[in-house]
Parts: sequence; structure tokens; C-alpha cells
Amino acid sequence: AQSVTQLGSHVSVSEGALVLLRCNYSSSVPPYLFWYVQYPNQGLQLLLKYTSAATLVKGINGFEAEFKKSETSFHLTKPSAHMSDAAEYFCAYNAGNMLTFGGGTRLMVKP
Amino acid sequence: KAGVTQTPRYLIKTRGQQVTLSCSPISGHRSVSWYQQTPGQGLQFLFEYFSETQRNKGNFPGRFSGRQFSNSRSEMNVSTLELGDSALYLCASTDLGAEQYFGPGTRLTVT
Repeated sequence: AQSVTQLGSHVSVSEGALVLLRCNYSSSVPPYLFWYVQYPNQGLQLLLKYTSAATLVKGINGFEAEFKKSETSFHLTKPSAHMSDAAEYFCAYNAGNMLTFGGGTRLMVKP
Repeated sequence: KAGVTQTPRYLIKTRGQQVTLSCSPISGHRSVSWYQQTPGQGLQFLFEYFSETQRNKGNFPGRFSGRQFSNSRSEMNVSTLELGDSALYLCASTDLGAEQYFGPGTRLTVT
């Protein structure tokens, strides 16, 4: 069965610092992978998706993620954190229209 | 296009009651999926409907059910509510692509 693991349930960075949120997946077939962001009391907003067209995927709000098959990873990065990036981030794997989510990483941004 | 809408946004019910939640997908989207989000279990897939037929089902008891109408709107029903059913219920819609677009969710509290 496919699974998604997010390393670090909480990540804290200073404003302007690099953001790195880690995601590893396990799958025997090429995956569709996604990053979603959730702000308090809201639903999930799609940040970016990997569908095998390119290994480096650019998303909204300056985020990007790199698919590395050899490492089974799909880490999310942003060069410079902004206070408005504080939220919970979820990595997800799509298998047959069913999303399997990682446990989530809460990003805190310090001024 | 308007996004995914869910009603109601908040709901308080008593143990043993039943509840019905509603979801209207993005116009033109024919697939609707439901997810439960709790602090303990995270985001879990409930079921997916496409053209009024349930295509996929997650590992939830039979108290959880759903349906989809000819206009793609979907409802989910939970009967004989338990305290553990307190959660954020998220609906997502998709067209032919792999990405799913989420609504704001319905926060259900069972007392």
C-alpha cells in the first residue's frame, strides 16, 4: 500500500530564512504527488503537483518541490519565508482518485 | 469559476443523532470525494463519487454513507453519531486531472 511520511510535525524558521518541508513516499508505481496548505479554520489549498512532466515543480506563493525518484522524496522549499506562510502543510499521494496524506507539518515563522 | 462549497460550515449534534452534510463541486467537475480530518488520525479518505456512483470507499463503518446527484452535488450522512465523529469534514472535487480542489469544510461537533 502507498504511504506518505512527513518528517517533522513542527518546523520553525525565521522570516526571510529558507523553508524546507520533507516528504517521502512509498509506492511501486509512478506517483502523482501534491503539496497542500491549510490555514486555520479553512480547507486545503493546492500549492503544487507532480505528475511526471518535470522533476522540479513550481507552485504558488513562491514554493517549489523537487521529485527525486532515487530518494522517493518530494520535499517542499521556499527560498525566503514570509509571516503569511505560517500554516500547516500536507504532502499527498493520489492513487485512483483517493488521496493519501502525510501527517502534516506545522510551519511557524518567527519575526 | 466558483470553488467548492460546503454547507453548513459548523454543526453541533448530540450522540445518537444523525447528520447530513452537503457539497457542491466546481462547475464541470464530476468527481466528488470526502475526507475526515481529526487531530488524532489526520486526514482520512471516506469515499468518492463519480456520475452518481460510489467508485472508492475508505475504511469507515457503515454509519458513514454518501450519495451524489445528477448535478454532481454530493451529500454525506453519518448516522448514530459518536463522540469520535467530531471532526472537520472536507469535500473535494476534480475533473479529469489528478489534483483535487477542496472546500472550506464542515466542522462537526458531537456532544
